[in-house]
Amino acid sequence: RKEVEQDPGPFNVPEGATVAFNCTYSNSASQSFFWYRQDCRKEPKLLMSVYSSGNEDGRFTAQLNRASQYISLLIRDSKLSDSATYLCVVIMDSNYQLIWGAGTKLIIKP
Amino acid sequence: DAGITQSPRHKVTETGTPVTLRCHQTENHRYMYWYRQDPGHGLRLIHYSYGVKDTDKGEVSDGYSVSRSKTEDFLLTLESATSSQTSVYFCAISEYGRASDTQYFGPGTRLTVL
Repeated sequence: RKEVEQDPGPFNVPEGATVAFNCTYSNSASQSFFWYRQDCRKEPKLLMSVYSSGNEDGRFTAQLNRASQYISLLIRDSKLSDSATYLCVVIMDSNYQLIWGAGTKLIIKP
Repeated sequence: DAGITQSPRHKVTETGTPVTLRCHQTENHRYMYWYRQDPGHGLRLIHYSYGVKDTDKGEVSDGYSVSRSKTEDFLLTLESATSSQTSVYFCAISEYGRASDTQYFGPGTRLTVL
C-alpha cells in the first residue's frame, strides 16, 4: 500500500459544478498536510494548507479527517481554469519527510 | 513567482554519459531540493541541501550526486545516466525547512536517456 494515495482520475466535471476528491495516508503520525496544484507540463504550486479545523479559500475548501486518515479538497462553482492535477502532500514533523501523492487530474468542461 | 530557474529545460542524452542539472535561486532560501516526477508516482525526493556544502540523501538517491558551493546554486549530477533516469526533474526551495514551509518549485527539466 502506498503511503499516500489519490484517485488518479481524470474527473470530468461540467463548468459550475462542485467536485471533491480525497487523499488517504497510511501513517497516523503525519502532522502537516497541503494541497498543491500542477498545470500540464508546469511545476507544482501551493494551493492551500489543510488545518485540523478545516479551511476555506474562496471556492476551495480543505478538510482533514484524522480518524479515517484522509484529507479532502472541495471545489465549488468550478471554472475552466480549475483544470489541473491536484497533488496532496503529507508531512511528518518529526523528520520533515514529505510524502507526495501521485495526483488527481481534474478536467472542467464547458 | 519565486525566483527559481533550472537549466537545461530539456535534455536528451545517451546511456552511460554524465549529466548535470542546475538549479539557481534568487530568494536566498536555505533549503533546496531535487525531486523527480514520473507517471503514477508522486514527487520523489532525490537529495536535499540545508546549507552551503550541507546535503543529504532522499528516498531515491542511488545514481545521483549533488553539490552546493553557493547558497543560490544546487547541482544534480547523474554520473552515468541510465534509461530509468528518464524523468522530469524539479528543483524546489524553502526558507526554514519546517513542515509548515511552502515549497517553491522551479519550472522543471525534462531529461530523456536513450
